[in-house]
Amino acid sequence: EDQVTQSPEALRLQEGESSSLNCSYTVSGLRGLFWYRQDPGKGPEFLFTLYSAGEEKEKERLKATLTKKESFLHITAPKPEDSATYLCAVQVNYGQNFVFGPGTRLSVLP
Amino acid sequence: NAGVTQTPKFQVLKTGQSMTLQCAQDMNHNSMYWYRQDPGMGLRLIYYSASEGTTDKGEVPNGYNVSRLNKREFSLRLESAAPSQTSVYFCASSEVTGFALVFGPGTRLTVL
Repeated sequence: EDQVTQSPEALRLQEGESSSLNCSYTVSGLRGLFWYRQDPGKGPEFLFTLYSAGEEKEKERLKATLTKKESFLHITAPKPEDSATYLCAVQVNYGQNFVFGPGTRLSVLP
Repeated sequence: NAGVTQTPKFQVLKTGQSMTLQCAQDMNHNSMYWYRQDPGMGLRLIYYSASEGTTDKGEVPNGYNVSRLNKREFSLRLESAAPSQTSVYFCASSEVTGFALVFGPGTRLTVL
């Protein structure tokens, strides 16, 4: 069964304290791995897509990396506005199916 | 450019009542999706439409029906609501299937 897990479930950081979020997957064929950000009461917002092991993508304080079994979302010197739930999703067959993880709830304290 | 819009934002139903959730996108996307999001669980696909005129079941289709009214609009219908359908429902679209999803703001549904 295709499965995506994320850790930790919740993370509290002080402003400026860098850390990483993990997304592990067991799927029958990875087509792509997607990271989304979700603010409370809103829909997820697309951040990155990674397609092959070794690939990296960056956007402001966020950097996503991919290995054969997991992906990391590194947050460098976070600010309070980075507080959100971060979701990862794996595309398992070309076409319709994304398997989402449960998310990591990040809080950045000033 | 409004992106993906959903109506209503909130809804409370009694068990057995029916309702339709509306979704529209203005990005000329071909593919549209309905997901539900429950606490502690990932987003789960209910139904999707790869292109205008086609619809297919996702992971959790029981108790739901969909209509792809045209390229812009994709509605989700609950024929006889049950408490297990209490959830937040998100509509999403993508240029084609497999591309990154653009999500709507969600509908929070409570079934009593």
